[in-house]
Amino acid sequence: GAVVSQHPSRVICKSGTSVKIECRSLDFQATTMFWYRQFPKQSLMLMATSNEGSKATYEQGVEKDKFLINHASLTLSTLTVTSAHPEDSSFYICSARRTSGSTDTQYFGPGTRLTVL
Amino acid sequence: GNSVTQMEGPVTLSEEAFLTINCTYTATGYPSLFWYVQYPGEGLQLLLKATKADDKGSNKGFEATYRKETTSFHLEKGSVQVSDSAVYFCALDRTTDSWGKLQFGAGTQVVVTP
Repeated sequence: GAVVSQHPSRVICKSGTSVKIECRSLDFQATTMFWYRQFPKQSLMLMATSNEGSKATYEQGVEKDKFLINHASLTLSTLTVTSAHPEDSSFYICSARRTSGSTDTQYFGPGTRLTVL
Repeated sequence: GNSVTQMEGPVTLSEEAFLTINCTYTATGYPSLFWYVQYPGEGLQLLLKATKADDKGSNKGFEATYRKETTSFHLEKGSVQVSDSAVYFCALDRTTDSWGKLQFGAGTQVVVTP
């Protein structure tokens, strides 16, 4: 089946630093990827839609200058958490849209655990 | 706005027991409904889906029926196995004109013991 990877799986950083998380579709091209955030024992919350070759679209309440998204190729989207603070600590999950014929399917990555000290 | 509510876990069952995970939703329009499963250390995987009222999604012995009148999409399996231990998420498509924007429930952890 289609595979989406994320790197790193875990990252710990100091407050004020920036962290980049990669999301790759390993065996298909994805013009659209999504970034979600999950707090402990809570549901996934959609942060933004990443579109290859164009600007990401952010959900209401998500700071685009804080969470920079770059979708530079058909297999890679990156999320950069800038000037991270402890409240940014969370589980970040990406997904990628695969189109096959008339069928669209969304495949999820395994997630990245960010801890900001 | 849209929301998805599912029963809290963990749900602990013995092998071969019957499993039900309740899911109800509020939404404008007629969203598609999904169940995703997340096994330990892996990404979410689509388990089943239904796109309109009275549709029944099924996969790997799991079933769920889209009930518009009760705004529900309960997940059931008649005989669970240890390998079904995972976290299950109910979700809906938030908007009809924007593919893939999913609204998730909080997830229900299921633990199946031998």
